[in-house]
Amino acid sequence: GAGVSQSPSNKVTEKGKDVELRCDPISGHTALYWYRQRLGQGLEFLIYFQGNSAPDKSGLPSDRFSAERTGESVSTLTIQRTQQEDSAVYLCATNSGGAETQYFGPGTRLLVL
Amino acid sequence: AQSVTQLGSHVSVSEGALVLLRCNYSSSVPPYLFWYVQYPNQGLQLLLKYTSAATLVKGINGFEAEFKKSETSFHLTKPSAHMSDAAEYFCAVSGSADGLTFGKGTHLIIQP
Repeated sequence: GAGVSQSPSNKVTEKGKDVELRCDPISGHTALYWYRQRLGQGLEFLIYFQGNSAPDKSGLPSDRFSAERTGESVSTLTIQRTQQEDSAVYLCATNSGGAETQYFGPGTRLLVL
Repeated sequence: AQSVTQLGSHVSVSEGALVLLRCNYSSSVPPYLFWYVQYPNQGLQLLLKYTSAATLVKGINGFEAEFKKSETSFHLTKPSAHMSDAAEYFCAVSGSADGLTFGKGTHLIIQP
């Protein structure tokens, strides 16, 4: 596609349930990033994938958070046993690597009740 | 390690007035610096970026920013504000291949 796409656009779930968020990168972009944006806050880096290298998971807030990406394709961010503090917009961005411009998707708005 | 400080969580200007959004950074390596804009219920859109070429960077929608190494600043300006400029603006720094480090954002309000 022409840009980064994310699904679902909105997700409402109950506390304790698992959720899976999806990011489709721009074709050819080897690097993929996940960020979290809480209401009224800046963006927090979560995880970074670059090609087939081991991902940089240094931003994941707890072991309830995990992400996968196979090669340069789709990525999924999974949050297990969701908590109310997980409510946020989850943004995905991709680029060709390094410090090149990151292109952002529209985000998934997650609300945990 | 990198960090970004945006002074003022909210900035209000009159339509037609100068827009100045402040950003200061710290970085242990020569930085790449970015300004992104986020319109309501939309993703982030790149306004402009500094990558060690010209220190005055021009972006979209009439915005520009000047990199000042001595002041570790990368303030965003626009000579004349439009109502359509109302949005959230984020300054970000990247010193490596890892994710960007963002400031907390500045909400720009345009008064008619």
